[in-house]
Amino acid sequence: DAGVIQSPRHEVTEMGQEVTLRCKPISGHNSLFWYRQTMMRGLELLIYFNNNVPIDDSGMPEDRFSAKMPNASFSTLKIQPSEPRDSAVYFCASSLRGAGGGYTFGSGTRLTVV
Amino acid sequence: GEDVEQSLFLSVREGDSSVINCTYTDSSSTYLYWYKQEPGAGLQLLTYIFSNMDMKQDQRLTVLLNKKDKHLSLRIADTQTGDSAIYFCAEMAPLTGTASKLTFGTGTRLQVTL
Repeated sequence: DAGVIQSPRHEVTEMGQEVTLRCKPISGHNSLFWYRQTMMRGLELLIYFNNNVPIDDSGMPEDRFSAKMPNASFSTLKIQPSEPRDSAVYFCASSLRGAGGGYTFGSGTRLTVV
Repeated sequence: GEDVEQSLFLSVREGDSSVINCTYTDSSSTYLYWYKQEPGAGLQLLTYIFSNMDMKQDQRLTVLLNKKDKHLSLRIADTQTGDSAIYFCAEMAPLTGTASKLTFGTGTRLQVTL
């Protein structure tokens, strides 16, 4: 298995632009999580899905952030419009509900908003 | 509520043992995890322990769990320079009818010196 695949690895964009981050979870995993990591706040859970349905989006910082999971093999996190304070590393992770093996993380997308 | 705490920094000499500590608050935690994050990379699952166990050993890694005190530790024997990374403790609490949720600590940066 190729693991959790995120794209792009790096994204530099200007303030005000729309940014879309992509994630392909591990095949067969039924839960998907989006995290944000910064030096100041550490790892923050933004939203998670179970069987493609959003369960808890209370971690999404503002209405500028939205996430979708149209099918079991793909999810997007969109920021519109982006702001410099959104600069962070965004991780996607997937897991098999009920299994004790924890989450498998992708390599992350490093977002820089200038 | 859920809260996972770790010390921020640990420095050890190569060849010594490292002990990274973690405290958590959710008594319903089913599994507890240790993740490793190397610079520029995602989180990698190192090991985990089921909540009804006291200890788990895996090569150079020893996990100790004191459920009464809600204290988890990770011991790395014969620490090597390649062990330099940030180590995250995480607890998993089941959510009825939905995905289980991992709560991460702030991470402990381990520095291995020669």
